[in-house]
Amino acid sequence: GAVVSQHPSWVICKSGTSVKIECRSLDFQATTMFWYRQFPKQSLMLMATSNEGSKATYEQGVEKDKFLINHASLTLSTLTVTSAHPEDSSFYICSARGVEAHTDTQYFGPGTRLTVL
Amino acid sequence: AQSVTQPDIHITVSEGASLELRCNYSYGATPYLFWYVQSPGQGLQLLLKYFSGDTLVQGIKGFEAEFKRSQSSFNLRKPSVHWSDAAEYFCALNTGKLIFGQGTTLQVKP
Repeated sequence: GAVVSQHPSWVICKSGTSVKIECRSLDFQATTMFWYRQFPKQSLMLMATSNEGSKATYEQGVEKDKFLINHASLTLSTLTVTSAHPEDSSFYICSARGVEAHTDTQYFGPGTRLTVL
Repeated sequence: AQSVTQPDIHITVSEGASLELRCNYSYGATPYLFWYVQSPGQGLQLLLKYFSGDTLVQGIKGFEAEFKRSQSSFNLRKPSVHWSDAAEYFCALNTGKLIFGQGTTLQVKP
């Protein structure tokens, strides 16, 4: 149980284009999903927290107009990197937290490798 | 301040040897603590978690961790390491959102 998928697993795009990454909780409902960014050999950096049906909360320094997050259902959140540039190349990981009371456990997706040329 | 520290950036152990990965936290309330493992190019897999109760927590893949409030620590242990355990290990503290340590890279020698 508690499986989270991400699609695509990797994507290469040209500078200036937009890329959408999907995060799905496959066997549980997720009231909250999180988006992280990870640079090589580094820890995860939280970008934003999204709750189903409401606007995402972005961490300080994260451009909300560049990283659009939508959490339209209890099983799906999307991250759209708008007008991507080479500096946006990174490993993006989502996680989902279930609706069960007191679980407070995040389950992570396999990640999406974005390369912007 | 809320923080997680993993003092060891890189650890190398021989296959079959015991393992202990250190994690220290700073938090004013009762901590919810986690250990995750990440293989190269993959997401994070939950190994175990501590919410309350028994301070020795059993996880998957033969891992366990002990919560010591007096030392603000939550060290991960495994009695006998397998080559497949080579990966990046992250300790995390839940404060409403996860605060991760810097990670420890485990290398296993044959």
